[in-house]
Amino acid sequence: QSVLTQPPSVSGAPGQRVTISCTGSSSNIGANFDVHWYQRLPGTVPKLLIYVNNNRPSGVPDRFSGSKSGTSASLAITGLLAEDEAEYYCQSYDSSLSAWVFGGGTKLTVL
Amino acid sequence: EVQLVQSGAEVKKPGATVKISCKVSGYTFADHHMHWIQQAPGKGLEWMGLINPEDGETLYAEKFQDRITITADTSTDTAYMELSSLTSEDTAVYSCATSRDWALPYWGQGTLVTVSS
Repeated sequence: QSVLTQPPSVSGAPGQRVTISCTGSSSNIGANFDVHWYQRLPGTVPKLLIYVNNNRPSGVPDRFSGSKSGTSASLAITGLLAEDEAEYYCQSYDSSLSAWVFGGGTKLTVL
Repeated sequence: EVQLVQSGAEVKKPGATVKISCKVSGYTFADHHMHWIQQAPGKGLEWMGLINPEDGETLYAEKFQDRITITADTSTDTAYMELSSLTSEDTAVYSCATSRDWALPYWGQGTLVTVSS
């Protein structure tokens, strides 16, 4: 059971918009610790997609955006492409555990 | 260019210990924490622990606390992760990653550890 809760799967057709939620608690996201998002393509290591809630590293398309409110965060992907099919993970810090924590991951299927 | 290069795949017997290395280049090793993350087959990412290479201070996840040792050698810009008392549940890809602003922008290529009798 992950400290950060994500839906196991989401799907969308090419060109559509999808969102992936990440629900935490008062000891992590709700304690104002930042949320970061990663994309893991099959057979590769994770790639940082969004850092500090809503910032994109150089090279990440602006189709990807992040937001955070209260004890939750979300990743939005617009204009879905087949190449976006991957697993997506949120990550934060938990002060009760004194540990970096990941969500359980969400598999995005592009229909 | 920041690079993290890990040691090669390992096959271990149950009860054994594995030690994986992660050599960095492209930044000052001592300036940023080094983390280790487990990716078991069919499972998600699990944070294992970190080290501050500057002073050697470590922080471990409770799940691995009794079995993990992370070290850093600033003379060779290399971090190490040692995991003992291996079981089949430890079969996974282990990755090092260095943090910036509490995120993990740079990752090693991953090291597959297979535990099998």
